[in-house]
Amino acid sequence: DTAVSQTPKYLVTQMGNDKSIKCEQNLGHDTMYWYKQDSKKFLKIMFSYNNKELIINETVPNRFSPKSPDKAHLNLHINSLELGDSAVYFCASSHTGTGSFRTQYFGPGTRLLVL
Amino acid sequence: GQQLNQSPQSMFIQEGEDVSMNCTSSSIFNTWLWYKQDPGEGPVLLIALYKAGELTSNGRLTAQFGITRKDSFLNISASIPSDVGIYFCAGQPQKLVFGQGTRLTINP
Repeated sequence: DTAVSQTPKYLVTQMGNDKSIKCEQNLGHDTMYWYKQDSKKFLKIMFSYNNKELIINETVPNRFSPKSPDKAHLNLHINSLELGDSAVYFCASSHTGTGSFRTQYFGPGTRLLVL
Repeated sequence: GQQLNQSPQSMFIQEGEDVSMNCTSSSIFNTWLWYKQDPGEGPVLLIALYKAGELTSNGRLTAQFGITRKDSFLNISASIPSDVGIYFCAGQPQKLVFGQGTRLTINP
């Protein structure tokens, strides 16, 4: 059983296009996240949603718009794609609370290449 | 912002050797997590630490939450080929902050 799933796994597109990445978790978590991993493998949080509400937005360009239709889904829409958007994007989820409840579990990643 | 310094950045070892890596923080964390990332996959949680001084094992892996709450280490004993990958420390008082990763390569 897949815990955190993302689609698509690979995404190759032209500069200027708009694209979406989908994430779903079946862990019963109420918080979901998007991370970006650059070519040097550095992982940085972009957004966090709790119960469909945005709680973290880390100075990400307005071209990136997360959308959470329900607690189990957090999608990422990117407008006017730029070359620098090429990276691996990871979705993650956790419970809220403290300690072990907040441990985050990651999806397999979406490899975005902008040409 | 908060930063984590993870070292070493890379390790080249022989199969069977023990491995040690650590992370230090400029601020106090409530949680330390260690993840492993295989090529083409997402980070997978190895060990989670929630109390200062806590020492936790998971098979051949052992990790400790430093007493100062500003550091953590991960040890791997008797390394095997499937241990190859990138190991990340991560800590959180609020949002999760990641170290730069330790890339482990094993020569058979």
